[in-house]
Amino acid sequence: GESVGLHLPTLSVQEGDNSIINCAYSNSASDYFIWYKQESGKGPQFIIDIRSNMDKRQGQRVTVLLNKTVKHLSLQIAATQPGDSAVYFCPAGGTSYGKLTFGQGTILTVHP
Amino acid sequence: GAGVSQSPRYKVAKRGQDVALRCDPISGHVSLFWYQQALGQGPEFLTYFQNEAQLDKSGLPSDRFFAERPEGSVSTLKIQRTQQEDSAVYLCASSGRTSFHEQFFGPGTRLTVL
Repeated sequence: GESVGLHLPTLSVQEGDNSIINCAYSNSASDYFIWYKQESGKGPQFIIDIRSNMDKRQGQRVTVLLNKTVKHLSLQIAATQPGDSAVYFCPAGGTSYGKLTFGQGTILTVHP
Repeated sequence: GAGVSQSPRYKVAKRGQDVALRCDPISGHVSLFWYQQALGQGPEFLTYFQNEAQLDKSGLPSDRFFAERPEGSVSTLKIQRTQQEDSAVYLCASSGRTSFHEQFFGPGTRLTVL
């Protein structure tokens, strides 16, 4: 079935530090694993995805790691900035047309 | 280019009133989704359209909720006889043919039912 679980629902870091947001998942059949962020007052925004046959993917200041053995997904943000303050979700997929199941999310607060 | 837009951004309704929420997706996007987001929670799926066809409405909480996308572009979510528990942010998202899980969200409509 589809479910998402997030460790540590809140995370506070200092500006310039690296951040790691973790996510456990149950649906191993997903072709992709996905991260979204949602800033206050805005809709969610796609950050990055990783195919299920990969274990690492890098974007701009972000890296996603996938460990299918333990069903664990993480998002690493380098040199975290105040603009990174948001709620981060790792929604579960599972349908052919992209229906997302979000869960509660992790609140990241970056202190200047 | 323009992103997904939603109107109105805020709506206050008295209990029992009908409301209509509009979504303008990104031009050319085949897929359109509606989600409901309660305060402090993640978005929850309501319904999905592929062009004008409503292929999944499993998330609509009651028969008071109705969505349409008659010409395969603009969509309207209608809530009849609003209740206080309908108070939430209603989010619309669209996606293209090649990456269904990369959805582009609008800013949402915040509905408050008094």
